[in-house]
Amino acid sequence: DIELTQSPGTLSLSPGERATLSCRASQNIIGNHLGWYQQRPGQAPRLLIYGASARAAGVADRFSGSGSGTDFTLIINRLEPEDSAVYFCSHYRPSPWTFGQGTKVEIK
Amino acid sequence: QVQLVQSGAEVMKPGASVKVSCKTSGFIFIDEYIHWVRQAPGQGLEWMGWVDPKRGVARYSPKIQGRVTITSDTSISTAYIEVKRLQPDDTAVYFCARHPTDISGPWGQGTLITVSS
Repeated sequence: DIELTQSPGTLSLSPGERATLSCRASQNIIGNHLGWYQQRPGQAPRLLIYGASARAAGVADRFSGSGSGTDFTLIINRLEPEDSAVYFCSHYRPSPWTFGQGTKVEIK
Repeated sequence: QVQLVQSGAEVMKPGASVKVSCKTSGFIFIDEYIHWVRQAPGQGLEWMGWVDPKRGVARYSPKIQGRVTITSDTSISTAYIEVKRLQPDDTAVYFCARHPTDISGPWGQGTLITVSS
C-alpha cells in the first residue's frame, strides 16, 4: 500500500495569506490518482482536488493542486476564516485508498 | 444532485454486530463503486472497503477483513457495511463515499458507532 506523509502538521496563518501544504508518497502514484480533502470539525471530508490538480465541482479557484510521482502540493490562496480545517491527501486508485495524517490550517 | 444519506448513530456492546446503511440518489447506483471509510475520535481516515453494486462484489482492507461485510441493494440504491464482533477500538464515525471525480459530490454525513460496555 502507498503511504502518504503530509507536512507541516499545523499551519497558522492570517487571512489573505497563502497556505502551502505538502504530501509525499512512499512510491510513485501512477496516473496521478491523488486527491485533497478539507474536513471541518464535525463534518464529513469534502473533496477539493482530484487527479492531483483538477478542482472538484463548486470548489473555489483559490484552491489549486499540483505535483506528480511522489510529491504533491495543495495551495490555498487568499486565506479566509472559513478555510480553517484539517486537509488530507489521499491516494485512491487502485484501492486501497490511503490517506495522509492531515495538516491542520489555523486562521489567526 | 448527488446525495448519500446514512443511518443514525448507534451504541453497541463489545462482541455485537452493527449494520450501517447509505442511501444514494442523484446518480446511477449500479455504475459506481461505493467505498466505506472510518475515522476514530480525533484520528485520521481509514479505508475499509468497497462494493460494486453491478456485480455484487466487495473488496476489503486486510486489516479488518473477516469482520466486515459490505453489500448493496440495487432496488433501493443503498449500500451497507456490517461490522461483526465489535471491539472498543471500532468506535468511530463511518462514512460512505463515491470514487473521487469532478461530480462525485459529498460523502455521506457519517454515522457514529460507539462500542462500550
